[in-house]
Amino acid sequence: DVKVTQSSRYLVKRTGEKVFLECVQDMDHENMFWYRQDPGLGLRLIYFSYDVKMKEKGDIPEGYSVSREKKERFSLILESASTNQTSMYLCASSLGRELPGEQYFGPGTRLTVT
Amino acid sequence: QKEVEQDPGPLSVPEGAIVSLNCTYSNSAFQYFMWYRQYSRKGPELLMYTYSSGNKEDGRFTAQVDKSSKYISLFIRDSQPSDSATYLCAMIPTNAGKSTFGDGTTLTVKP
Repeated sequence: DVKVTQSSRYLVKRTGEKVFLECVQDMDHENMFWYRQDPGLGLRLIYFSYDVKMKEKGDIPEGYSVSREKKERFSLILESASTNQTSMYLCASSLGRELPGEQYFGPGTRLTVT
Repeated sequence: QKEVEQDPGPLSVPEGAIVSLNCTYSNSAFQYFMWYRQYSRKGPELLMYTYSSGNKEDGRFTAQVDKSSKYISLFIRDSQPSDSATYLCAMIPTNAGKSTFGDGTTLTVKP
């Protein structure tokens, strides 16, 4: 079974702090994704990566950056956390060109910024 | 207007009912269609994966794609309380870009 793990289930940070959310997948997947999920707004793509050291902006990249130094690990960084970044953050991975769209999600990190 | 519109719900049905969950889309480039199930406080999990038009059945679940109408459906037969979750449709074009998700429909199956 594909396993996608996220470093924290719950996180509370203060406004202005730098926040790191880590995601690791164990199935040698090419693609990795970071989403946020908010009531009434659905899943929104923040950033994604097709390969190591490659990144592409999603629909809402402002206020976020990412890092993919190793194939299995994709980090989301909030440079200076703000209260409007309080949300559920979901990481996902997919195999690549075969079975496009078949994504495997982690359990999510519920981040609260106070 | 969103590329993918999903029936908003919420939906509440008695155990054993047939459930129909629906999405419409506007981008004719979408070729692969997915349904994800998300339990409360969990990440989504892939439930059904289909390519182009037609039906796909897996146990009590049937995914239906009508590309001419730009309409996809997920049918759940003999619904169970364990089916209570939020269901998300998603779709992607052939050239393996990013998926586009619907906003989700929350289903409650009452014993």
